[in-house]
Amino acid sequence: GEDVEQSLFLSVREGDSSVINCTYTDSSSTYLYWYKQEPGAGLQLLTYIFSNMDMKQDQRLTVLLNKKDKHLSLRIADTQTGDSAIYFCAEDTGGFKTIFGAGTRLFVKA
Amino acid sequence: NAGVTQTPKFQVLKTGQSMTLQCAQDMNHNSMYWYRQDPGMGLRLIYYSASEGTTDKGEVPNGYNVSRLNKREFSLRLESAAPSQTSVYFCASSPGTGTYGYTFGSGTRLTVV
Repeated sequence: GEDVEQSLFLSVREGDSSVINCTYTDSSSTYLYWYKQEPGAGLQLLTYIFSNMDMKQDQRLTVLLNKKDKHLSLRIADTQTGDSAIYFCAEDTGGFKTIFGAGTRLFVKA
Repeated sequence: NAGVTQTPKFQVLKTGQSMTLQCAQDMNHNSMYWYRQDPGMGLRLIYYSASEGTTDKGEVPNGYNVSRLNKREFSLRLESAAPSQTSVYFCASSPGTGTYGYTFGSGTRLTVV
């Protein structure tokens, strides 16, 4: 069945770049998403990429999509302590079904 | 502020008790969803409502019922709570099929003892 996998933890120093990786299984996905969850809060949509795109940039965020390998990444430039959160990768498999990964907890060290 | 509002934020139930989680959105979205979040498992879809008047099962519907009361409101009911239903519950909405992503509420943390 459909599945989305992410590593559970990532630790970076403030000012460095963070790269969070995700793999998915459904090759028919139309949209892929990155959400951010801060403690005690719901998920907040950060960015999304359409499946016919390779890259999308939005200020400090860069999303790269490799459809051949079914690999999605989120790069955060100049990572700040306020970026500490859990980041979820998700794929839209159609028919009102969005599959979420388990989330990557990003720790930013000052 | 526009968004998705969930109540209550916290709840403790005894095994066998019932309760209803409330969700309302003010963005005129057609579709609404209930997810549960468990450690290490991501979010799993319980039920969804593609549009007013329709509801469908998601990945983990057993032990739950839903009502799409009107376009704004989508409630989740636990008829006889079990410890396995201890979780954080999120309501979300989207204009249509989820394209362009969901807007989430802040969650209900439920503990069943």
